[in-house]
Amino acid sequence: EAQVTQNPRYLITVTGKKLTVTCSQNMNHEYMSWYRQDPGLGLRQIYYSMNVEVTDKGDVPEGYKVSRKEKRNFPLILESPSPNQTSLYFCASSPGTGIPDTQYFGPGTRLTVL
Amino acid sequence: AQSVTQLGSHVSVSEGALVLLRCNYSSSVPPYLFWYVQYPNQGLQLLLKYTTGATLVKGINGFEAEFKKSETSFHLTKPSAHMSDAAEYFCAVRVSGGSYIPTFGRGTSLIVHP
Repeated sequence: EAQVTQNPRYLITVTGKKLTVTCSQNMNHEYMSWYRQDPGLGLRQIYYSMNVEVTDKGDVPEGYKVSRKEKRNFPLILESPSPNQTSLYFCASSPGTGIPDTQYFGPGTRLTVL
Repeated sequence: AQSVTQLGSHVSVSEGALVLLRCNYSSSVPPYLFWYVQYPNQGLQLLLKYTTGATLVKGINGFEAEFKKSETSFHLTKPSAHMSDAAEYFCAVRVSGGSYIPTFGRGTSLIVHP
């Protein structure tokens, strides 16, 4: 089944404890991205990647890191989480064919930073 | 730069009534426009998209949207609401030739009353 998977789905952590949220897609998509969703603010892009080893900042990159060492994986890293990073996070991928293609979203990761 | 404004964070309709969710965009070049739906506790999925050609676009579950360049709008409609349509709806825009990642609106929560 074609899908984007994220792990974990739920995470409660404490300020300053490094964490990684994994994202993997099995559709051989070129493009991947991370969003955070907050009430009243909609989806805001954190980082995106147009290919292996190519990443770029989105609208709200502060406090986050990403890497794209393999085409299928795009982990989101929080080196020192803070309470303002409590949010619902979505990973998405798309074929990257050069036309406005559809993004496929993962199920989300709900992160709480105490 | 591109931006999207969704008018109304909440829209409430009765079952069987017309659904109208408003979206206005800002773009200096021809846009590509999308509507995504998010059901409770799920990721986003594409409802429909406008790229070029016919301005009336039909999507899944009986939804459609019309691109009106003169009004810079891409409103989403459905003739008759069903209880299962209750969800969060996001409009998104991506400009041709720009970043492939779309900019999302803040979302509109559709509430359907029996």
